[in-house]
Amino acid sequence: AQSVTQLDSQVPVFEEAPVELRCNYSSSVSVYLFWYVQYPNQGLQLLLKYLSGSTLVKGINGFEAEFNKSQTSFHLRKPSVHISDTAEYFCAVSETTNAGKSTFGDGTTLTVKP
Amino acid sequence: GAVVSQHPSWVICKSGTSVKIECRSLDFQATTMFWYRQFPKQSLMLMATSNEGSKATYEQGVEKDKFLINHASLTLSTLTVTSAHPEDSSFYICSALTRMNTEAFFGQGTRLTVV
Repeated sequence: AQSVTQLDSQVPVFEEAPVELRCNYSSSVSVYLFWYVQYPNQGLQLLLKYLSGSTLVKGINGFEAEFNKSQTSFHLRKPSVHISDTAEYFCAVSETTNAGKSTFGDGTTLTVKP
Repeated sequence: GAVVSQHPSWVICKSGTSVKIECRSLDFQATTMFWYRQFPKQSLMLMATSNEGSKATYEQGVEKDKFLINHASLTLSTLTVTSAHPEDSSFYICSALTRMNTEAFFGQGTRLTVV
């Protein structure tokens, strides 16, 4: 079984500042990793994913994440945030042998202040 | 891209009634779909795995008689909340696994309110 830990429940940041949302995972087998964003009363939107290949993954809206196998981490970063990035962010993992069955972290609330 | 649609987007029902939520893969076939529940300010919790043509696999603690799942075709899975109670009020989200078997795509969710 796998687990996901999002190390920060809330991250306040000023507009145009950089941000990092941290995610660690635990699994005894190979995994796929995902970051999703959720706006209030809406579904999930995929920001980016790591399936294989390059450990630096670029996603939508200027977000990127780096898969670090030795540290079992998949931190999400953005060099300059906007007010519109205020939302809930979820890190998720699924085993490669059981793809689609995802385990989610508890979420990080990103609040961008003007 | 792969599109998954849920219907309805929101529903209000009376306590004791049943509600059916549909999850459709619009442009791909999905032999496997997943149902999640999300309580306010919380994360998504997997309820069950829905397999086309066979019985769903429920996660521990999820009542299979209360949350009926039917995956009758390669593009449709349904979740029926039977004898709904206010504590069943939640956001229900489905996802569908593509044939590439690398990732599942999520529907937009259904907000269920039981009064």
